[in-house]
Amino acid sequence: EPEVTQTPSHQVTQMGQEVILRCVPISNHLYFYWYRQILGQKVEFLVSFYNNEISEKSEIFDDQFSVERPDGSNFTLKIRSTKLEDSAMYFCASSESRVREQFFGPGTRLTVL
Amino acid sequence: GESVGLHLPTLSVQEGDNSIINCAYSNSASDYFIWYKQESGKGPQFIIDIRSNMDKRQGQRVTVLLNKTVKHLSLQIAATQPGDSAVYFCAENRAGGRLVFGKGTKLTVNP
Repeated sequence: EPEVTQTPSHQVTQMGQEVILRCVPISNHLYFYWYRQILGQKVEFLVSFYNNEISEKSEIFDDQFSVERPDGSNFTLKIRSTKLEDSAMYFCASSESRVREQFFGPGTRLTVL
Repeated sequence: GESVGLHLPTLSVQEGDNSIINCAYSNSASDYFIWYKQESGKGPQFIIDIRSNMDKRQGQRVTVLLNKTVKHLSLQIAATQPGDSAVYFCAENRAGGRLVFGKGTKLTVNP
């Protein structure tokens, strides 16, 4: 069964450093998303991406964040200068359309020290 | 404001019993809802979805009910098993595909 994959599973970084989180969505999906989940809290939307551009972004997704689909398979989230409060689980998701179920990857645990 | 919330943060049931997990949403214009299951250390796993033109949808051992009048969703799990222990989230699909998640209900199944 096709699934969304994410790497790395755990990333530890120093405050102020740049991190890139990687995702491989399900191959025939056209819509891609990033969400984050701070420990013990609910999942929060960050950004949606379609046709090589951002469709929507939340207020969390400020200038420090960017997304890219550098090739036909990868979808990345970059945080330019990490802050302590960026520590969270980051989930990538993909779907066939905007109104179909989104399938989530296993997540990357980001720890900012 | 926007919110998708849950009535109970925890639910404990005996193996074999039926479980009911509730969710309230605030955006009356929402037309697509999804239930996710999240096990510890894993990503949300799709369980079942429902569109606003329906009030009930059944899957394997799960049923979702939608009451648009009071903006309420519920997830029913029949014959709950230990493997059903997890946190369950309802999510509201907003325009653009953005999912708005509730806080989650932790279901514990006792053997």
